Amino acid sequence: EIVLTQSPGTLSLSPGERATLSCRASQSVASTYLVWYQQKPGQAPRLLIYGASSRATGIPDRFSGSGSGTDFTLTISGVEPEDFAIYYCQQYGSSVWTFGQGTKVEIK
Amino acid sequence: QVQVQESGPGLVKPSGTLSLTCTVSGDSISSSNWWNWVRQAPGKGLEWIAEVYHGGNIHYNPSLKTRVSISLDKSKNQFSLNLTSVTAADTAVYYCARDRDYGDSTWAFDIWGQGTLVTVSS
Repeated sequence: EIVLTQSPGTLSLSPGERATLSCRASQSVASTYLVWYQQKPGQAPRLLIYGASSRATGIPDRFSGSGSGTDFTLTISGVEPEDFAIYYCQQYGSSVWTFGQGTKVEIK
Repeated sequence: QVQVQESGPGLVKPSGTLSLTCTVSGDSISSSNWWNWVRQAPGKGLEWIAEVYHGGNIHYNPSLKTRVSISLDKSKNQFSLNLTSVTAADTAVYYCARDRDYGDSTWAFDIWGQGTLVTVSS
């Protein structure tokens, strides 16, 4: 089973700053199966990025995904107040989905 | 628009069976998508549980495989989850979600239910 490790655990930023979130896999992941979600308190996760770099419908272009193999990145070019949330990466391999433990983006 | 909605008991006794149903609207359970269950223990991260495809294909989280089953009811456009021998560790918000086929072997959970809290307690 592939393990996803997200870093940092918490990212403290001021609005307008750039956020860089990392997702590292214990073995190589097909880019088509690498996904990012945003979750706010009391809400279901929301799909942000699929296929490592494709934005889901309605997602602002300040969100971008990149990476391949074992290292993937979610970047928020300038954090807006509504972006403070927890972000999860997810991958599919050997008929199993796994999630990273999450990165919390909080207001500094 | 496509929606999914979880339903089922909010309280289950230890050693009992947790049973939840997800009702799908705006899409067919027989479409080219997979249908999933995900859970989140209080204050914790997301844990994938299982997925089912209308053709009969099923995948389970290896850590839950001995206790979990997932099934489809095409006549009702629903899919269901059963988790046996529950303990307090199974207390969580349970989500159902659609795993959408974007083509070229690209998949993602694009539609989520609001989640339902299931507490395991006597």
